[in-house]
This record gives sequence, structure tokens and C-alpha cells, in this order.
Amino acid sequence: SQQGEEDPQALSIQEGENATMNCSYKTSINNLQWYRQNSGRGLVHLILIRSNEREKHSGRLRVTLDTSKKSSSLLITASRAADTASYFCATDAGLSFGGAQKLVFGQGTRLTINP
Amino acid sequence: KAGVTQTPRYLIKTRGQQVTLSCSPISGHRSVSWYQQTPGQGLQFLFEYFSETQRNKGNFPGRFSGRQFSNSRSEMNVSTLELGDSALYLCASSFYVTNTEAFFGQGTRLTVV
Repeated sequence: SQQGEEDPQALSIQEGENATMNCSYKTSINNLQWYRQNSGRGLVHLILIRSNEREKHSGRLRVTLDTSKKSSSLLITASRAADTASYFCATDAGLSFGGAQKLVFGQGTRLTINP
Repeated sequence: KAGVTQTPRYLIKTRGQQVTLSCSPISGHRSVSWYQQTPGQGLQFLFEYFSETQRNKGNFPGRFSGRQFSNSRSEMNVSTLELGDSALYLCASSFYVTNTEAFFGQGTRLTVV
């Protein structure tokens, strides 16, 4: 079963606008990662935020994490047509040493950027 | 630096057959995990290997198995294929310390007919 719930399931905006996607999860985590997927291809890693971090930036991406509410958000600023894709959050609650143990994914948000 | 490589990219099998998928992780990564993606169930964790040992297993039947070799390359095997096994199978690798990113391959698209 999916730990994460993503909201909205689909989002359609005009190029140049900002896009915000939200993710909620159920258990304690080590980190939360965001991925992009184009048309059923592989997942592209966007950003990782650790449980002791509240905000992180990477280029046009801004991720926030609120562990008290068990939620995260991904903001894409100044969207481009190339940002059209599905976006997934994944939580890592692994307890053992070494590597990403077991990522639990949300259902994803389908983002469409209209030119 | 080469990314995660999965082979083959596409596969068509008949019900009842078995299949083996391969994953070569990023150089230096010792953790390899496998995921199944379907339209109905989304992305589901299959299993994770570290230093040739399976450390975590998802809720899949015993027909799904895997292994990891000493060079960290991994294979997963599905026996007695069913139509419902049709999916995109994704492999991810990560560095050997905790709390690091997992990088995914392009996946193997398996179709069972």
C-alpha cells in the first residue's frame, strides 16, 4: 500500500506560472525524496530533504518538510513546457545502516504545462 | 559517471514462462532495490539488497526473487508469469551510507501475453 498521498492528482497550468504539489505520509522517516517521471520512463531524482531539514532549494525547485504534520511540498517556479511530467514523493524510513532501504511512494501528481 | 543500467529495456513473455531482469548500479553503490510500477498499484517496493544480502522484501509472492552479486550487480527473477505481472520494473541504487539519494534506471517494460 502507498504511504504517501499526493495532492493534487493532476495539475494543469500555463507556462511561466508556479506549480505546487503536496505530499503527506504516515510514519516517521529518515528522509523524503522527490522524483520526476516522463511518460512511463525511469524516475529522475530531483531533491532529497532529511527529517531534520525544513526547506531545501535546487534551481527552480523548492521543497519544504513539516515532520509534525507529516507533509512535504514541492514548488516549481517559472514552469516550462519541459516540466510536464509526473512527480512522485517517496519516503525512506529505513532503519539499518547503508543505502536507501525501502522507498514508499505516493501516487504521484500529473503536471501539465501549457504553452 | 554512468547511471543505473537496466537490461533489457523491453520484454514480451508468455504466461507461465519465467523472466530474469538485470540491473547494474552506479559505480560505488552497494545498495540495489527493485520496484514494480503498474497503473493500478503505482510504485511498489519489491526487495532491496546490500552486500549480496536481501535486507528488505515487499509484499509480493514467492514467484518474485532476486539476488545480488559481489560486484553489486543485481538480477530479479519472476517465475510462472501471470498477466498481472505486466509492469515497468525499476531498479534503484544508492551509496552505502544511510540517508542518501536513490537513483533509478530507465526500467524494463515487461508485457505478459
